[in-house]
Amino acid sequence: GAGVSQTPSNKVTEKGKYVELRCDPISGHTALYWYRQSLGQGPEFLIYFQGTGAADDSGLPNDRFFAVRPEGSVSTLKIQRTERGDSAVYLCASSLGTSGGTPQETQYFGPGTRLLVL
Amino acid sequence: LAKTTQPISMDSYEGQEVNITCSHNNIATNDYITWYQQFPSQGPRFIIQGYKTKVTNEVASLFIPADRKSSTLSLPRVSLSDTAVYYCLVTSGGYQKVTFGTGTKLQVIP
Repeated sequence: GAGVSQTPSNKVTEKGKYVELRCDPISGHTALYWYRQSLGQGPEFLIYFQGTGAADDSGLPNDRFFAVRPEGSVSTLKIQRTERGDSAVYLCASSLGTSGGTPQETQYFGPGTRLLVL
Repeated sequence: LAKTTQPISMDSYEGQEVNITCSHNNIATNDYITWYQQFPSQGPRFIIQGYKTKVTNEVASLFIPADRKSSTLSLPRVSLSDTAVYYCLVTSGGYQKVTFGTGTKLQVIP
């Protein structure tokens, strides 16, 4: 079946510009996560959604970053006034979102969007 | 969240068994141990998860001692295609966020 897809696969922008990164989760998955991965590092949590609402946005680095999931499926990560330090791979993952307890649900990751801010 | 410590890198020859050990001294009662694998230019992929003793699937085995302060991921007879970064995570369950460390970069040598 279809996995998590992310578009675009690569994005080059100039410092100060606005970018939108899109994530299509696995159909039926109600939990959706965004991570950011810098070269040589593990993924760093940004935000996660349960349905349409952001259940935990504690990883967003500042108010230039914002994410939405208006219909509980597709999500868009928005970055305003991009800075060179925002250059990274942005990963999206989804999970069933039905297990409120243990064990941890398996998260299925997309291939990522490589963002380069010049 | 419990912090994990694992080797930064490991090398292995093809056909050998590889064991990657992860320390998680502050693991809580409700925490599970989960391993993910990441190939270059791809997102991480779930490998295995366990709570205690031994778990085995078609890809790997996970050994967890009684005190659960460490765990060992075992990859039998590795091939070149197993070259990847392996992340050990301690997770408290459900659909919460997970915290990745820097992982162990496994290089399989022909």
